[in-house]
Amino acid sequence: GAVVSQHPSRVICKSGTSVKIECRSLDFQATTMFWYRQFPKQSLMLMATSNEGSKATYEQGVEKDKFLINHASLTLSTLTVTSAHPEDSSFYICSATVPDTQYFGPGTRLTVL
Amino acid sequence: AQTVTQSQPEMSVQEAETVTLSCTYDTSESNYYLFWYKQPPSRQMILVIRQEAYKQQNATENRFSVNFQKAAKSFSLKISDSQLGDTAMYFCAFMKRGGSEKLVFGKGTKLTVNP
Repeated sequence: GAVVSQHPSRVICKSGTSVKIECRSLDFQATTMFWYRQFPKQSLMLMATSNEGSKATYEQGVEKDKFLINHASLTLSTLTVTSAHPEDSSFYICSATVPDTQYFGPGTRLTVL
Repeated sequence: AQTVTQSQPEMSVQEAETVTLSCTYDTSESNYYLFWYKQPPSRQMILVIRQEAYKQQNATENRFSVNFQKAAKSFSLKISDSQLGDTAMYFCAFMKRGGSEKLVFGKGTKLTVNP
């Protein structure tokens, strides 16, 4: 149990376009999901907390207008990177919580040309 | 604020041997959870083991066990009978109980299991 999927696994886009990443909890409902960014050989950096039916809570320094998060149902949260630029290229990971434990998706590698 | 420290950036072990990864943390909370996550080259984060701070008994999962020392704020991971598939980054993490369910991560330890 506690399986989290992410789609797409890899995406390449042109500078200035928007990219949407989906995070789904497959066998459980998650009122809370988290979005992380990971740079090579570093730990995970929390970007935002996504709560079903309410606005996301962003960590300090994360641009909410650039990284749009929607948690429309108990099994789906989406992260949209708007007007992407090469510096947004990174590995993005989502997680979903069962009480007091986070389970992670497989991640999405975003490359912005 | 809580902090998690992993003082060993890299470690290596021979296949079938035992290795211990260190983790210390700092918190003023009394109720919390501690975790070890594994991130193999695929980059999928996998939960290895979870410890509830209010339980004195050390958690175990097959070849993985922890040494939880609450007073010393230490939470080490022991991997017995190491296998090649254990090669990965290992992250220690802290979660406050009854809070936002956010995780505070350490910087990770890169473990290599040699044949």
